[in-house]
Amino acid sequence: KAGVTQTPRYLIKTRGQQVTLSCSPISGHRSVSWYQQTPGQGLQFLFEYFSETQRNKGNFPGRFSGRQFSNSRSEMNVSTLELGDSALYLCASSLVTGKDEQFFGPGTRLTVL
Amino acid sequence: GEDVEQSLFLSVREGDSSVINCTYTDSSSTYLYWYKQEPGAGLQLLTYIFSNMDMKQDQRLTVLLNKKDKHLSLRIADTQTGDSAIYFCAEAPRGGKLIFGQGTTLQVKP
Repeated sequence: KAGVTQTPRYLIKTRGQQVTLSCSPISGHRSVSWYQQTPGQGLQFLFEYFSETQRNKGNFPGRFSGRQFSNSRSEMNVSTLELGDSALYLCASSLVTGKDEQFFGPGTRLTVL
Repeated sequence: GEDVEQSLFLSVREGDSSVINCTYTDSSSTYLYWYKQEPGAGLQLLTYIFSNMDMKQDQRLTVLLNKKDKHLSLRIADTQTGDSAIYFCAEAPRGGKLIFGQGTTLQVKP
C-alpha cells in the first residue's frame, strides 16, 4: 500500500506570493491533518479535515487555509507569503478520526525569499 | 493547557540502551505517540500507547507510561547507529490534533 504522498517536495517563493501544497493520503484513509515544522517553533498543528469538512484548526492566521476533496486528497494554501512561513509542511493521514494512528508524508520544504 | 516537554539531546554508545523522557499536560489524551525523524525526512510512527496501559513492548522498543505523573518514556534496547535521529513524543487531546514535544536528538557513537 502506498504511503502518504506530498507534492511538490521543494518550493521556493518570494514574499507576497501565494502557494498551494498537495497531499494524497493512504488509500482508504479519510482524515488528513497538516503541520508546520520550523526550527524555532517545532511542530505545530495547522488543521484537520475529515469527509471534506474542517474538524479542527490550529492557531494560524487566516492566510493559511485548506480543503479536502471527495477522494480524501487535501490541499493547503498560504496567501501573501512572509519570510516566517519558510518551513517543512507535513501532512498526516489516518483511517477515520485523528485518534487513529497518523501516518506522515515526507513533507514539502517551502522557502520564502 | 497543552504542553509536551522533552530533553533536547541524548548521546549513547552503540549497544547501550537509550531512554528518552517526555512529560505532557493534558490528562484527557487517549493515545500517546513516539515518532522518529531522520534528516530530510518526514515523521515515522514508531509506537504508541493507550492511556490505560502502563507499558508496551515492541521488539527493541519499550514504552512506559506513568499517568499520575504524566510521564512517558521510550527505551531503545541495543541502540544502533541507525537509531540516530530526532525522537518526538506527542499527545492527542482532541481529535486529529497532535501536540508534539520539541524533539530529542539521539546521537549514537560507535
